[in-house]
Amino acid sequence: EAQVTQNPRYLITVTGKKLTVTCSQNMNHEYMSWYRQDPGLGLRQIYYSMNVEVTDKGDVPEGYKVSRKEKRNFPLILESPSPNQTSLYFCASSLGQGAYLEQYFGPGTRLTVT
Amino acid sequence: AQKVTQAQTEISVVEKEDVTLDCVYETRDTTYYLFWYKQPPSGELVFLIRRNSFDEQNEISGRYSWNFQKSTSSFNFTITASQVVDSAVYFCALSGGNFNKFYFGSGTKLNVKP
Repeated sequence: EAQVTQNPRYLITVTGKKLTVTCSQNMNHEYMSWYRQDPGLGLRQIYYSMNVEVTDKGDVPEGYKVSRKEKRNFPLILESPSPNQTSLYFCASSLGQGAYLEQYFGPGTRLTVT
Repeated sequence: AQKVTQAQTEISVVEKEDVTLDCVYETRDTTYYLFWYKQPPSGELVFLIRRNSFDEQNEISGRYSWNFQKSTSSFNFTITASQVVDSAVYFCALSGGNFNKFYFGSGTKLNVKP
């Protein structure tokens, strides 16, 4: 089944404790992206990747890191999480350049930073 | 700057009523893409439509229709004869520039009551 998976689905952590949210897709998609969803703000793009080793900032990259060492994986790293990073995070992928084709979204990761 | 405004935070209708969700966008790009996504209570994001800036034809898909008007920078979404299963948060999104960055509106929560 074609899908985007994220792990963990739920995470409660403390301020400053490094964490990684994994994202994997099995559709051989070139484009991958991370978003955060907050009430009243909709989805905001954090980072995106056009292909292996090619990443760029979205609208709200501060406090986040990403890497794209393999085509199928695009982990989101919070090196020193803070409470304002409490949010619902979505990973997405598409076959080609972002807007040209449908983005497939993962199920979301709900992160709470205390 | 790119921006999407969904002024309707929440709409409640009774089943079988028609409802229109508004989306107004801002962009300096001459070529751009507009999208609608649905987020049902289960939380996943479901792609509904993509429209490029050169195609102003209205589109109909079953009970769903979209009205794109460049003159007013709007891309409105109408559900005809709404059903309880249409209850969800609906997001409008814009992508321009290099077509790798996406800008979402804050979403409109639609409640369809039986």
